[in-house]
Amino acid sequence: DIQMTQSPSSLSASVGDRVTITCQASQDIGKYLNWYRQKPGKAPKLLIYDASNLETGVPSRFSGSGSGTHFTFSIRRLQPEDIATYYCQQYDNLPSSTFGGGTRVEIK
Amino acid sequence: QAQLVQSGAEVKKPGASVKVSCKASGYIFSNYGISWVRQAPGQGLEWVGRISVYNGDTNFAQNFQGRIHMTTNTSSSTAYLELSSLRSDDTAVYFCARDLWVADLYYFDYWGQGTLVTVSS
Repeated sequence: DIQMTQSPSSLSASVGDRVTITCQASQDIGKYLNWYRQKPGKAPKLLIYDASNLETGVPSRFSGSGSGTHFTFSIRRLQPEDIATYYCQQYDNLPSSTFGGGTRVEIK
Repeated sequence: QAQLVQSGAEVKKPGASVKVSCKASGYIFSNYGISWVRQAPGQGLEWVGRISVYNGDTNFAQNFQGRIHMTTNTSSSTAYLELSSLRSDDTAVYFCARDLWVADLYYFDYWGQGTLVTVSS
């Protein structure tokens, strides 16, 4: 099974900061990676699909990049409403998939 | 606007079964799949399985082998997840999600609100 290692597991940043989260796959998954945001008590929300494509309606301060085994997700100019846990999801062996462990983002 | 509405919370005893429903609206039900994802208390997301609404094909994570059953009712645009031989570590919020699988793209773009399943004696 493909393992997804997400880091850091949590971070604290100031409003306006740039935040970067990484996801490392245990084997080459091409660009088969999505990013989701989950606010407390809510369902996840798709932000980025296919490693770098912004879902319709998602603010452009969110971005994703990478391929193979190393992926990054960034929030440019962190906002208070970005407080959430962020997850990567790989789907190299369709249609099964696995999620990373999550990164909790807090405001400093 | 697509919407998925799930059934209410359930409390079950170990060894029992649970059936969670997910009613879809606002889109053509058979054009997408339905995936199920669960989240144990304070934990991350775990992919449970997926059903093609179009042809009924199912796939699921290996640790559910033999005790998972996913179905759909296209006349009511409802998907169902049935999990049997429940254990305490099945306690979780179960989410359904509309999934899009086209060529090399696969993602979950609309989600239900989640159904808490508690397994306790």
